[in-house]
Amino acid sequence: KAGVTQTPRYLIKTRGQQVTLSCSPISGHRSVSWYQQTPGQGLQFLFEYFSETQRNKGNFPGRFSGRQFSNSRSEMNVSTLELGDSALYLCASSPLPNTGELFFGEGSRLTVL
Amino acid sequence: QKEVEQNSGPLSVPEGAIASLNCTYSDRGSQSFFWYRQYSGKSPELIMSIYSNGDKEDGRFTAQLNKASQYVSLLIRDSQPSDSATYLCAVNLNNFNKFYFGSGTKLNVKP
Repeated sequence: KAGVTQTPRYLIKTRGQQVTLSCSPISGHRSVSWYQQTPGQGLQFLFEYFSETQRNKGNFPGRFSGRQFSNSRSEMNVSTLELGDSALYLCASSPLPNTGELFFGEGSRLTVL
Repeated sequence: QKEVEQNSGPLSVPEGAIASLNCTYSDRGSQSFFWYRQYSGKSPELIMSIYSNGDKEDGRFTAQLNKASQYVSLLIRDSQPSDSATYLCAVNLNNFNKFYFGSGTKLNVKP
């Protein structure tokens, strides 16, 4: 069974640009969550989707947004990039919500110059 | 105050010893608790979950939960060099898939 697939794995952007990251969950998994990981702040929850609906959102500005498609694939978008947005963005899938078991992808490493 | 606190380490133990990792959390309403392991350059992977007070054992790993004192711990018996990684404590408040993670404790197991 294929794992969680995130694309792109690495990307470099400049301040003010926007970026879209993609996540394909494990087949059959319908819940997708996004986390930001930085050395200073650790893993921080961004948002969670289930059945194309955002169920939870973390404490991030409105520049961070996401969506989920009918096939459970998810995208997140960051607009007007800032230097502080440089981080590893991790997507995690679960078979159902409320299971407590997250399967993480390898992440998308974003560098903002 | 952070929702989940861990000592960043590094925690160094000799091979074969017991490694003890601790985590405290701030919200008494927390429902479920997890330990993830993250190797350098890799993504986190779930190793243990615990939902009720007491101990839960899985192979060389034992998770301990004390809700009254608001702490969770992970014991690794017979530590191996392959256990060297950062261990992340995660807490779930309301059983939705929104988790608060600690900053992680780096474990070094020396041969």
